[in-house]
Amino acid sequence: AQKITQTQPGMFVQEKEAVTLDCTYDTSDQSYGLFWYKQPSSGEMIFLIYQGSYDEQNATEGRYSLNFQKARKSANLVISASQLGDSAMYFCAMRYKGGSEKLVFGKGTKLTVNP
Amino acid sequence: DAGITQSPRHKVTETGTPVTLRCHQTENHRYMYWYRQDPGHGLRLIHYSYGVKDTDKGEVSDGYSVSRSKTEDFLLTLESATSSQTSVYFCAIRDSLDHEQYFGPGTRLTVT
Repeated sequence: AQKITQTQPGMFVQEKEAVTLDCTYDTSDQSYGLFWYKQPSSGEMIFLIYQGSYDEQNATEGRYSLNFQKARKSANLVISASQLGDSAMYFCAMRYKGGSEKLVFGKGTKLTVNP
Repeated sequence: DAGITQSPRHKVTETGTPVTLRCHQTENHRYMYWYRQDPGHGLRLIHYSYGVKDTDKGEVSDGYSVSRSKTEDFLLTLESATSSQTSVYFCAIRDSLDHEQYFGPGTRLTVT
C-alpha cells in the first residue's frame, strides 16, 4: 500500500533562513511521483513542486527545491530564504497507479516563520 | 490559476438529509477528483473521474456517490448525511498531459 509519512507536526524558522520539511514514502511501484502542496490559513491548496521517480535531477521552483533520495525513499522540501508568507501547512503527496494518477497525502507539517 | 469553483462554499445540514456538492471547471481537463480533509488525516480521496460518465472509487468512498454528465461538472452526493461526514471537501482537476492536480477553494460541510 502507498503511504506518505511526515514526522514533523510543526516547524519553526527565522525569516530569511532555510528550512527543510521531511517526507518519506512507501510504495512498490517503479513509476511514481512526489508533490508538495502549501495550504495557508485561508484554506486553499497550492501546488508547489513535483518530482518524478525517474527524474535524475532534483526539482526546483524558485525558492523551493525537492531533495529526492530514492534509495532512502525520501522527498524533503527545502525552502530557502524563508518569508513570513511561507507560514502555512505543507503537505507531501505521492501519485500512484499511473493512468488516473490518484494521490495519497501525508498528514502535513505546520511551518511558522518568525520575524 | 486554474478555473475551478466549488459550490456551496459552506453548508450546514442535518443528519439523514441528502447533500450535493458541485465542482465546476472551465479548463476542459479530463480528470476530476473529490477529497475530504480532516484534522490529523491530511487529504483523502473519495472518488475520481477520468472522463464523462467514467468514475471510480477512492480510499474513503463509503456513503458517497458521484456523477459527471459533462466535462465541466463533477457532483459529489451524500445520500444520507452523517456527522462523520462533517469535513472540508476539495475538488481537484488535472490535465491528461500533466501530473499536478489543481484544487478548488473547498466546501466546509457541517452535519448536525
